[in-house]
Amino acid sequence: GQNIDQPTEMTATEGAIVQINCTYQTSGFNGLFWYQQHAGEAPTFLSYNVLDGLEEKGRFSSFLSRSKGYSYLLLKELQMKDSASYLCAVRNGNYQLIWGAGTKLIIKP
Amino acid sequence: IAGITQAPTSQILAAGRRMTLRCTQDMRHNAMYWYRQDLGLGLRLIHYSNTAGTTGKGEVPDGYSVSRANTDDFPLTLASAVPSQTSVYFCASSDYAGGNSPLHFGNGTRLTVT
Repeated sequence: GQNIDQPTEMTATEGAIVQINCTYQTSGFNGLFWYQQHAGEAPTFLSYNVLDGLEEKGRFSSFLSRSKGYSYLLLKELQMKDSASYLCAVRNGNYQLIWGAGTKLIIKP
Repeated sequence: IAGITQAPTSQILAAGRRMTLRCTQDMRHNAMYWYRQDLGLGLRLIHYSNTAGTTGKGEVPDGYSVSRANTDDFPLTLASAVPSQTSVYFCASSDYAGGNSPLHFGNGTRLTVT
């Protein structure tokens, strides 16, 4: 089967750094997406990785290792507004998007 | 403002009733999708359309139907609602299906079937 694994919930402190991991097993790979979803709102696109390595975008960075079936989203200088769920999604060999259940990130002052 | 509009925002529906969730986008995106989101589960694809005039079944299509008569509109119909269809429904679109084209989501429809 195909699956995406993410921690259910994480807690971090305002101003700190947090790393949200995502491991995947899919039939083929054509890219990995990270989305942010605030409670009661729609998911919004954060990043896309298709090659190994780190993609940096402001306070957010996303890393991919295709050989390990692993990605992480790194959030720096955490702000209260970063409290949200973070969704990992993989596009498989058939170009279908497989979604993880999401990681709820709680930021404490 | 460009984006995706879903209607209604929320709805309480009696079991057995028919219901159409509306979705309109003004970004001229080719691909559109309907997902349901349930607590503890990832987004699950119900139906999709890679281009106007074509549709396909996703992971959980039973009890739902869609049409794509034009580029902008992609309505989702529940022919005879059942309580297990209680969920939050998101419509999404992307410039094209596949590759690095990210999905843009509407604000969702919260549906309760009683």
